[in-house]
Amino acid sequence: QKEVEQDPGPLSVPEGAIVSLNCTYSNSAFQYFMWYRQYSRKGPELLMYTYSSGNKEDGRFTAQVDKSSKYISLFIRDSQPSDSATYLCATDWGAQKLVFGQGTRLTINP
Amino acid sequence: DTAVSQTPKYLVTQMGNDKSIKCEQNLGHDTMYWYKQDSKKFLKIMFSYNNKELIINETVPNRFSPKSPDKAHLNLHINSLELGDSAVYFCASSQDPGPLVTEQYFGPGTRLTVT
Repeated sequence: QKEVEQDPGPLSVPEGAIVSLNCTYSNSAFQYFMWYRQYSRKGPELLMYTYSSGNKEDGRFTAQVDKSSKYISLFIRDSQPSDSATYLCATDWGAQKLVFGQGTRLTINP
Repeated sequence: DTAVSQTPKYLVTQMGNDKSIKCEQNLGHDTMYWYKQDSKKFLKIMFSYNNKELIINETVPNRFSPKSPDKAHLNLHINSLELGDSAVYFCASSQDPGPLVTEQYFGPGTRLTVT
């Protein structure tokens, strides 16, 4: 079993839709959970992160962690074509190391 | 003024050759990383250096050898290239990791194709 599992998609939705991206992880010791966004032919960039369980909101983006079910979610409200990218969830494997999910390719259609 | 830069951007080479990828960061970070992203977009850490010292060395063939001449540079040398080495290689950097590593700054990637 991979440490972080993510449905690779692709996921295609119309502009303005609410998008839900999800990951599961295997190790209950993981504490920090991150979402990175990667545009085509670019390096990943940090979108947001949460610590332990709970929600975090940043503009149209909400990250949610449910430690009881080892489930990580990213919600995008009022999705825009500029949100089209690959979204990678990640978690910390102790200090100094991140473990990434496979990434979900998202397309927002105008 | 790019934060993390890599050269070259594209690299096409034949099996058996030796090649190097260079990485530089101007963020003043102490830690640098090499990642490999395969065709399925799976991003996996290979190495990390903190202040020129090797910290993480994942299960990577000996043909891959990182070298950090100073804390702003981390190069990756690959010997005897194989078809399976074809991937995008990303360099990244972060502040001194301490107990928390969340934000890593990635370079634009080097797309390696081995024929």
